[in-house]
Amino acid sequence: KNEVEQSPQNLTAQEGEFITINCSYSVGISALHWLQQHPGGGIVSLFMLSSGKKKHGRLIATINIQEKHSSLHITASHPRDSAVYICAVAWGGAQKLVFGQGTRLTINP
Amino acid sequence: ETGVTQTPRHLVMGMTNKKSLKCEQHLGHNAMYWYKQSAKKPLELMFVYSLEERVENNSVPSRFSPECPNSSHLFLHLHTLQPEDSALYLCASSQDLSFSGNTIYFGEGSWLTVV
Repeated sequence: KNEVEQSPQNLTAQEGEFITINCSYSVGISALHWLQQHPGGGIVSLFMLSSGKKKHGRLIATINIQEKHSSLHITASHPRDSAVYICAVAWGGAQKLVFGQGTRLTINP
Repeated sequence: ETGVTQTPRHLVMGMTNKKSLKCEQHLGHNAMYWYKQSAKKPLELMFVYSLEERVENNSVPSRFSPECPNSSHLFLHLHTLQPEDSALYLCASSQDLSFSGNTIYFGEGSWLTVV
């Protein structure tokens, strides 16, 4: 069984701050997904990565396979970034997706 | 707009009612999923369908009954639910069952309250 832990569980910051959300997992994986859940409930996929680093706009995701760890960074944070960020790992032949408990991010103006 | 549409968005039902949640995907995907999200808990997989065939039933009580009439539509039939079944129910789809090369697309979710 793969355990996925995210930290912190809650994060409040001021607009413009650099944000880091961490994800650790216990068993080797095929890929790691970062997802964003809006207050209304809908979930949007941000990144899927299996090595290295990906960047999309102000968002950057990195993964260290040896350390079994991934980080999601947000540069120049904005109130519209306020959401729950969820890490999910694909393992078991890549057909199982295990989710972390989420990190609730609040960006104040 | 993710290409996955769920209805209704909100549902309140009594414990003796029968209702259904509907999911439709316009992405041409072969795999569809039902997830349950309870307060302060990670998403829990309920059912997986691949090419309209159920491939996983994650020890879900029989009061939840899925149906996949074709690869674009997925239903979750609900009957004699309990108050602890109140949660957000999310439908998702992916190109196939592999998550190492495929993005997962979620609907907006159906907020269910059982009274």
